[in-house]
Amino acid sequence: DAGITQSPRHKVTETGTPVTLRCHQTENHRYMYWYRQDPGHGLRLIHYSYGVKDTDKGEVSDGYSVSRSKTEDFLLTLESATSSQTSVYFCATSTGALQFFGPGTRLTVL
Amino acid sequence: AQSVSQHNHHVILSEAASLELGCNYSYGGTVNLFWYVQYPGQHLQLLLKYFSGDPLVKGIKGFEAEFIKSKFSFNLRKPSVQWSDTAEYFCAVNLPMNYGGSQGNLIFGKGTKLSVKP
Repeated sequence: DAGITQSPRHKVTETGTPVTLRCHQTENHRYMYWYRQDPGHGLRLIHYSYGVKDTDKGEVSDGYSVSRSKTEDFLLTLESATSSQTSVYFCATSTGALQFFGPGTRLTVL
Repeated sequence: AQSVSQHNHHVILSEAASLELGCNYSYGGTVNLFWYVQYPGQHLQLLLKYFSGDPLVKGIKGFEAEFIKSKFSFNLRKPSVQWSDTAEYFCAVNLPMNYGGSQGNLIFGKGTKLSVKP
């Protein structure tokens, strides 16, 4: 597996607070992704990055922003968390057409 | 928009039973196809992939999948399941970049939970 870590692994927060999730990779992959996983929905793409400071929206980007200042780090920010953003968040990186996934962050918004 | 359909939400089998999980996709052109597995509490792991060539692909742990272009299908099979195969299985598709796809962007099905009774 690619060296992908996510932090924190678990977080409980309150509605209206900002939250930042971090994804760190050691593989020097150019592409990085943020997905959310919800029961009955599979994985849905939030944002992705195709290089440092190059990002684009995915299927469910509303309420989320991302930043990538270094190849190895991809941050996902919820500016003002809502209960509908309670989910498991997975980061992924890709080389060619293959994607490799991180361990996930379980976020609960009360 | 492209989509991926997995026919079964939850499949329950006894050990040694044969498994087939259905996957259909909606795009009519060239695609890359994947099956991922997620064991309880773990992240997604690649089970197998199809890019081109032999439509019958073999993956890890005795799994295989057959790409049938005329049916837009990529069904996952295993002749004899084990209790350790209990997991959720996701079919995914992406479009090669020269066919309008973004690098690596995957479209996932909603997943099929497999429960294997010992």
